[in-house]
Amino acid sequence: EVQLLESGGGLVQPGGSLRLSCAASGFTISSYAMSWVRQAPGKGLEWVSAISYSGDDTYYADSVKGRFTISRDNSRNTLYLQMSSLRAEDTAVFYCAKSIGGAWYHFDYWGQGALVTVSS
Amino acid sequence: DIQMTQSPSSLSASVGDRVTITCRASQSINSDLNWYQQKPGKAPKLLIYVASSLQSGVPSRFSGSESGTDFTLTISSLQPEDFTTYYCQQSYTTPPTFGQGTKVEIK
Repeated sequence: EVQLLESGGGLVQPGGSLRLSCAASGFTISSYAMSWVRQAPGKGLEWVSAISYSGDDTYYADSVKGRFTISRDNSRNTLYLQMSSLRAEDTAVFYCAKSIGGAWYHFDYWGQGALVTVSS
Repeated sequence: DIQMTQSPSSLSASVGDRVTITCRASQSINSDLNWYQQKPGKAPKLLIYVASSLQSGVPSRFSGSESGTDFTLTISSLQPEDFTTYYCQQSYTTPPTFGQGTKVEIK
């Protein structure tokens, strides 16, 4: 059974840093593109970042470019999102999502989400 | 970025009704359009991918269609568990973008 489990969320002050993890089971992340998608409280879905199955290619939303870094550790079957220079507007539930094989952005499995709150 | 305009933003319907939700892309996206269902406090769930392919395990009352840059999600006979929020998303290019969502409420 495919499962994605995010961790690392929490309360952080503006300007601070946080690293989210997404532990995968039931499949090998090195075979699929993976993404982070976020949802601000009461709002819609916003794609944040993606990484190719090989890890060679990464993409970011303009809103996080230069502040967030996506990475993967295939030996741990885990996806990461390193977030720095956090702002109040980054407050959201962050989901990791697996893409259907051979595609970048058809998200067939999602984690349960990790809440990140940026506030002083 | 490609803009996805979803309509309506909300609708009221009854169990057994046929419901349609529309999503319009700001430019051609071929058939790279996906539909998700999201229940409160839960992650989105993929219903339809590449405009009309039903994701495994999704009931056949859900279907998708396309006409140019207009895409439609149809629920043929609304069930109690279907009263929730639906999003479209283009997967044609980076960044992938979502519609603003449609909330289906009980009449």
